[in-house]
Amino acid sequence: AQRVTQPEKLLSVFKGAPVELKCNYSYSGSPELFWYVQYSRQRLQLLLRHISRESIKGFTADLNKGETSFHLKKPFAQEEDSAMYYCALGTGAQKLVFGQGTRLTINP
Amino acid sequence: DGGITQSPKYLFRKEGQNVTLSCEQNLNHDAMYWYRQDPGQGLRLIYYSQIVNDFQKGDIAEGYSVSREKKESFPLTVTSAQKNPTAFYLCASSSYRGIPEAFFGQGTRLTVV
Repeated sequence: AQRVTQPEKLLSVFKGAPVELKCNYSYSGSPELFWYVQYSRQRLQLLLRHISRESIKGFTADLNKGETSFHLKKPFAQEEDSAMYYCALGTGAQKLVFGQGTRLTINP
Repeated sequence: DGGITQSPKYLFRKEGQNVTLSCEQNLNHDAMYWYRQDPGQGLRLIYYSQIVNDFQKGDIAEGYSVSREKKESFPLTVTSAQKNPTAFYLCASSSYRGIPEAFFGQGTRLTVV
């Protein structure tokens, strides 16, 4: 069965500090991993996907198949990064499974 | 204005009644999804559909039903068999081609009294 685990429900860091949101997945096939973000009073939206190997708003995420992880990182947190973050796993059958989410708070 | 629309935004129903949540998209997406969002539990997949006239159960399908008669529409019915229906429901769609990026609606908050 496909499963996504985000071990931290809440994460609080100071502005300018590094941020790492953890994500682990369970899937026997070839995974497609995503990070979605939900800012206050906005829709859930895609932040980045592993296949693109891109940096969006200073965030990056590397897929580690050995550790089945896809942690989200940013070297210097900004106040506008405060949001709810969800890690998601896509399968070949178009099934898209989400983790429990991590609420990130950046303190000034 | 392209996108995915859920209606209504708030819905109140009496216990024991079935209720249908609407989800419409004009993005020409093949795949559509329904999720339930509860505090501390993230998004849990209820049903998903890859193409018209076909759909699959997600992780928490019991007490729910869906239909996919048109590409742009994927209504969700919360039946009286759903033991804890009060929740926030999110609909999403994605293209079936390439790497699927899901686009989400604004959500419907259902309260059963």
